[in-house]
Amino acid sequence: DQQVKQNSPSLSVQEGRISILNCDYTNSMFDYFLWYKKYPAEGPTFLISISSIKDKNEDGRFTVFLNKSAKHLSLHIVPSQPGDSAVYFCAASDGGNKLVFGAGTILRVKS
Amino acid sequence: NAGVTQTPKFRVLKTGQSMTLLCAQDMNHEYMYWYRQDPGMGLRLIHYSVGEGTTAKGEVPDGYNVSRLKKQNFLLGLESAAPSQTSVYFCASEGGKYGYTFGSGTRLTVV
Repeated sequence: DQQVKQNSPSLSVQEGRISILNCDYTNSMFDYFLWYKKYPAEGPTFLISISSIKDKNEDGRFTVFLNKSAKHLSLHIVPSQPGDSAVYFCAASDGGNKLVFGAGTILRVKS
Repeated sequence: NAGVTQTPKFRVLKTGQSMTLLCAQDMNHEYMYWYRQDPGMGLRLIHYSVGEGTTAKGEVPDGYNVSRLKKQNFLLGLESAAPSQTSVYFCASEGGKYGYTFGSGTRLTVV
């Protein structure tokens, strides 16, 4: 059973608008969450993270929100740019070094 | 450039053949991981290592073996390849608070 779920396989957004990518988790022991971005033929690269003691973390155009009671996190990209088109993976850690990844969401930003 | 290097980038195997995937990192990281990426499944952990000379099983270890004889190298072996092992394989090393640093992947096809 997947502990980290990204229920939207793909998302299409117009350039300049907001992109919202969602992630749900089932393991209440997860206390650290990360987002990775992956371009074709490349490995995933770290984008942004959040600790369970926070409910928001912002880095430029990227903001991650965490709702612990709902076991839900989301990544907001504002404004979206064509270069943001990629696969986005949500990942979680229970304090150890192993990460559990979601299935990924393909984001397409149309110009 | 510092990072994680995977070789080969592409490989086609016949069922029953064996091969070894090499992962090398030059960041002096202790922890290294092997993941496979399949459509709709995200990244699933095959094996990992917490230091030179150590290995441990991940979520999907069957059909694979690993070795970490040197700190900078983590090898993934397939003794008798099966079509179910057709996948994209990613190696990663532990990168501190930024999570993992991934290699660019090996695309393996077993026919």
